[in-house]
Amino acid sequence: EVQLVESGGGLVQPGRSLRLSCTASGFSFDDYAMHWVRQAPGKGLEWVSGITWHSGAVGYADSVRGRFTISRDNAKNSLYLQMNSLRAEDTAFYYCAKAPWLELHTHYFASWGHGTLVTVSS
Amino acid sequence: QSVLTQPPSVSSAPGQKVTISCSGGNSNMGSNLASWYQQVPGSAPKLLIYDNNKRPSGIPDRFSGSKSGTSATLGITGLQTGDEADYYCGTWDSSLSAVVFGGGTKVTVL
Repeated sequence: EVQLVESGGGLVQPGRSLRLSCTASGFSFDDYAMHWVRQAPGKGLEWVSGITWHSGAVGYADSVRGRFTISRDNAKNSLYLQMNSLRAEDTAFYYCAKAPWLELHTHYFASWGHGTLVTVSS
Repeated sequence: QSVLTQPPSVSSAPGQKVTISCSGGNSNMGSNLASWYQQVPGSAPKLLIYDNNKRPSGIPDRFSGSKSGTSATLGITGLQTGDEADYYCGTWDSSLSAVVFGGGTKVTVL
């Protein structure tokens, strides 16, 4: 069974940094691209970032490009999101999601984690 | 403002049918496959439909999907109280090089 477990969320002041992690199990992690999707409280889904199976290509939403960095460690079955210069509008649940194949381009996510809440507030 | 447009809400009585539309453009729905997700409050999204009309294992055939041109549609038949949730459409946008979602539609069973 595919399992994705996010961690690292919490309360952080504007302008500070936070690093999210996602630990995967139940599948061959290095055979799939991985993504982060967020959801502000009471709002809809917003794709944040994605990374190919071998970290050869990454993508970012315009709203986070230049501030967030996605990475992965296949040896540890882990996905990361380094979030810098955080803003109030980054407050959201952050979900780790598994792509159906190796490459970045995907039109669906079959597996999602339960999410971790990031709150940016002074 | 979401790239894909969905109605904010739809409702119907138990046992009836609802349809949810998802409208996009040439760079997203017009040239890529559609997906649909169900999200119960407090839970992560769950994939309902992928590749326009395919259901993952375990998803009942009461849920169906279709796509024509730049729009996709989710149908739910035999509506149950357990179907009350938010539903999102999604796809890839070739111009943005990004996954895009609709704003979500709340389904209410009257």
